[in-house]
Order: sequence, then C-alpha cells, then structure tokens
Amino acid sequence: DIQMTQSPSTLSASVGDTVTITCRASQSISTWAAWFQQKPGKAPKLLIYKASSLESGVPSRFSGSGSGTEFTLTIISLQPDDFATYYCQHYNDYSWTFGQGTKVEIK
Amino acid sequence: QEVLVESGGGVVQPGTSLKLSCAASGFSFWKYGMHWVRQVPGMGLEWVAFMRNDGYSRYYADSVKGRFTISRDNSKNIFYLQMNSLRVEDMAIYYCARDDFGGHSKPVDAWGQGTLVTVSS
Repeated sequence: DIQMTQSPSTLSASVGDTVTITCRASQSISTWAAWFQQKPGKAPKLLIYKASSLESGVPSRFSGSGSGTEFTLTIISLQPDDFATYYCQHYNDYSWTFGQGTKVEIK
Repeated sequence: QEVLVESGGGVVQPGTSLKLSCAASGFSFWKYGMHWVRQVPGMGLEWVAFMRNDGYSRYYADSVKGRFTISRDNSKNIFYLQMNSLRVEDMAIYYCARDDFGGHSKPVDAWGQGTLVTVSS
C-alpha cells in the first residue's frame, strides 16, 4: 500500500507569509495527488488535484507542484481565512490515501 | 446542486453493529462512484471504502475489511455502510463523498456533513 508522509505536522505563520507543505509518497504516484483544506466541524475542501490543477473557485494564492514521490502545496500571502489543517492525498480509480495533516496556525 | 446527507450515527457498544446511510440528491446518483471516509475528532482523515456506480465493485481499507460492508440502492439514491463487530477505534465522524475520478480526474466533488459514531461500553 502507498503511504503519504506529510510535513511539517504544525506550521506557525503570520498573515502575508508564504508557506510550503510537503508530501512524500512511498512509491511513485505520477501526478495522482491532491490537497485539501479542512476547518473544524467541516468536511474537507478540495484545493488542488492532479498535483497542480487548481480547483474551481479556489484562490490563486494556492498552488501545487510535484510528480513521482514529492509534492508541495504553497500558499502565497497567507490570509486569515487560510488558517486551517491541510491534507495531501493520493487517489486513483478505487482508493484514497491521506497524509497525516498539517495544521497552519497563527504565529 | 448535489447534496449528500449522512444519517444513522449514534452511540453503540463494542462488538455491536450499526448501519449508516448517505442520501444523495440533486444529481444522477447512479452515474457516480461513492466513498466513505472517517475522522476521529481532532485527528486525521482515513479512507474507509469505495463502491463503483455499477454497485458491484467494492474496495475497503484493511482496517475495516471483513467487518464493514458497503452497498447502494440506485433506485432510492442511497449509499450505505454496514458496520459490524465495532471497535472503540472505529469511533469517528463518517463522511460520504462523491467520486469524480472518471469525470474530471479529481478525487471528489461533493461531501456530506458527516455523522458521528461513538463506540463505548
């Protein structure tokens, strides 16, 4: 089974900062990676799919990159609404695997 | 507007059973594969199971294989999760989600609001 290892687990940042979250797959997954944002009491929200495609309606300050085993989510000019937990995910046509999550908190 | 509404959560004892439902509306349910995902409050996301739109192909996480069964009723637009031999570690919020891999190469394009399952003696 493919494992997704996400880092860091917690990230302290200020409004206006640029932050990067990394996810490593235990084996090559091509570009079958996605990123989600989740806020307390809410279902996850898809931000990025196919490693770098921005989901409709998601602000352009969010971007994804990577292929194979290394993936990154970058948030440029962090906004107050961006303080949340972020998850990477490997997906295919029959199963999903999530990373452990990264909590982005206010410094 | 696609809507997914989970129900059936509650408090149960270890070793017992519970059946969750996910009622779908606003779209052609029979066209889509469906997932269950769970989350212990305050913890990470765990994929549980997936069923293709054909109602036959089913896939499970190792942690639930042999204890949980997914099914669907395309005539009623409902997706089910039958949970047997429940354990304390199954306690979580259970979400259903609509698969979008075949449509747009995305993992998902709709989520329910979740239903809480508490397993405690």
